[in-house]
Amino acid sequence: ETGVTQSPTHLIKTRGQQVTLRCSSQSGHNTVSWYQQALGQGPQFIFQYYREEENGRGNFPPRFSGLQFPNYSSELNVNALELDDSALYLCASSSQGQGRSYYGYTFGSGTRLTVV
Amino acid sequence: DAKTTQPPSMDCAEGRAANLPCNHSTISGNEYVYWYRQIHSQGPQYIIHGLKNNETNEMASLIITEDRKSSTLILPHATLRDTAVYYCIVRVVPPNFGNEKLTFGTGTRLTIIP
Repeated sequence: ETGVTQSPTHLIKTRGQQVTLRCSSQSGHNTVSWYQQALGQGPQFIFQYYREEENGRGNFPPRFSGLQFPNYSSELNVNALELDDSALYLCASSSQGQGRSYYGYTFGSGTRLTVV
Repeated sequence: DAKTTQPPSMDCAEGRAANLPCNHSTISGNEYVYWYRQIHSQGPQYIIHGLKNNETNEMASLIITEDRKSSTLILPHATLRDTAVYYCIVRVVPPNFGNEKLTFGTGTRLTIIP
């Protein structure tokens, strides 16, 4: 059973640029959530994707967007990067739907984004 | 906003039981208590969850008070690898095991001392 894989592991971007982060969900999971974790803080929920549609969103502006693909992998896109976007971006996969057992979210190790 | 309160840091001697407290005085009847931990440079890892009964698994035990306003995560024999930030979270689990967001606080930084 493979876990959650995120790429890249580290990234440096310039303010104003756009970035795409990628996540491969754990085998058997159909839902992907994205979290932003600033230094010294707990992760903050960005949004969740289920059946290729956004299924809940936290307090993040529209320049944060995402996609989920038929194989349940996902992308997080951030446009017009700001310095405050520097953070660890975490992807978490899980299962939902009737008849599925709940074992909690499986998190990836994250992508460390630095905006300069 | 996080619905839980945890001490910012704790130390525990290696081999001893680590007891991590969490206050959740506003917990609702349909909210579960979850514990995750985050080892440096990794994503959070699920540890255990419970509703009102005490729970135990291969990683830890969870003790929930009768009024459900607080809980304690117990790592029975702490090792150096248990050094991490521990998050206590309350959340609703819908009947169809659907997903809701996890609301993290700042957690407790547990340091295991050799």
